Amino acid sequence: KAGVTQTPRYLIKTRGQQVTLSCSPISGHRSVSWYQQTPGQGLQFLFEYFSETQRNKGNFPGRFSGRQFSNSRSEMNVSTLELGDSALYLCASKGTGVNTEAFFGQGTRLTVV
Amino acid sequence: GEDVEQSLFLSVREGDSSVINCTYTDSSSTYLYWYKQEPGAGLQLLTYIFSNMDMKQDQRLTVLLNKKDKHLSLRIADTQTGDSAIYFCALSGTYKYIFGTGTRLKVLA
Repeated sequence: KAGVTQTPRYLIKTRGQQVTLSCSPISGHRSVSWYQQTPGQGLQFLFEYFSETQRNKGNFPGRFSGRQFSNSRSEMNVSTLELGDSALYLCASKGTGVNTEAFFGQGTRLTVV
Repeated sequence: GEDVEQSLFLSVREGDSSVINCTYTDSSSTYLYWYKQEPGAGLQLLTYIFSNMDMKQDQRLTVLLNKKDKHLSLRIADTQTGDSAIYFCALSGTYKYIFGTGTRLKVLA
């Protein structure tokens, strides 16, 4: 069973540009969540998608957005990049059931210069 | 709001036991998790415990939960150099996980 796949693994962008990150969840999982990891703030929740609908959103500016497709693959977009957006972006896939533990991808390392 | 704290660093000798601690303020989580993160990698789920349990053993890993003191710990028996990583505790919230600050475990050969 394939795990959670995130692409690309590494990205370097310039301030003001926009970026799109992709996440393919474990087959059969319909929930995809995104987290931002930085040394200063740790792991922060961005948003969660389930069946193509954003169910929950963390405390991030509107520059951060996402979507989910009918095959459960998800993308997140960050517009007008700032230096502070440099981080490891992690995607988590969850199934349904009593204990829905989250399985994480390897992450996308975004560097804004 | 939720607050989950961990000590930043732990150093142990190979073959010794490691104990990583986690304290939290919100006790409504149904499940509590331990994740491992190696350099340049994502989060690997190690184990979890249901909130009505006190202890769970999984091979070299033992999880202890003290709900009264809101304290969670992960014990790694016979620690190996391959266990060197950052360990995060995580609490299951309504729709998201609340992660601890992470403990960097260094295993000395």
